[in-house]
Amino acid sequence: DIQMTQSPSYLSASVGDRVTITCRASQSVTRYLNWYQQRPGKAPNLLIYGTSALPRGVPSRFSGSGSGTEFTLTISSLQPEDFATYFCQQTYSTPRTTFGGGTKVEI
Amino acid sequence: EVQLVESGGGLVQPGGSLRLSCAASGFPFSSYSMNWVRQAPGRGLEWVSYTSSRGNVIYDADSVKGRFTISRDNAKNSLYLQLNSLRDEDTGVYYCARGVEYSISGKPYYGLDVWGQGTTVTVSS
Repeated sequence: DIQMTQSPSYLSASVGDRVTITCRASQSVTRYLNWYQQRPGKAPNLLIYGTSALPRGVPSRFSGSGSGTEFTLTISSLQPEDFATYFCQQTYSTPRTTFGGGTKVEI
Repeated sequence: EVQLVESGGGLVQPGGSLRLSCAASGFPFSSYSMNWVRQAPGRGLEWVSYTSSRGNVIYDADSVKGRFTISRDNAKNSLYLQLNSLRDEDTGVYYCARGVEYSISGKPYYGLDVWGQGTTVTVSS
């Protein structure tokens, strides 16, 4: 199985901050990398697919980059509704997909 | 409105069984692959099972292989997960999630774009 490792596990930030989260894969997943946002008590929500593409309705302050084994999610200016947990997901081995452990963004 | 609604969770003893259901509405259910994803308390997400749109292709995670069975009834717009031989480590919230395929420069990229609210399974004596 492809292992996904996120860092940091926790991140403390303020409204308006630029935030970057890293995701590393145990082997190359080329650009088959997604990001999800999960607010407390809610289901995950697809934020980015294919490393850098945003589904309809996702704000442009979210961006993704990377390839191979190292990827980043960036929030350009943190908003109050962005305080949540973020997960990366590799789909290189679809449908046997794996998720990272998550990064909790706290105030 | 596109919606997935899970049901069937509950408290069960180790070794017991449960059947989870996921009712889909607002989209052509038979056109989409479906998945079950679980989340242990305070932990990350773990993909559990996949079924193709027609139900003829199925994959399971190694952790549940031989114990869990995914199925679907396209006539009823419903997805199911039969959980047998339950263990303490199966405790968590179980989500059904719709699979979607996006195209970037002609290449397919897969994601889970619609999720239910989850149903809680607690395995404890």
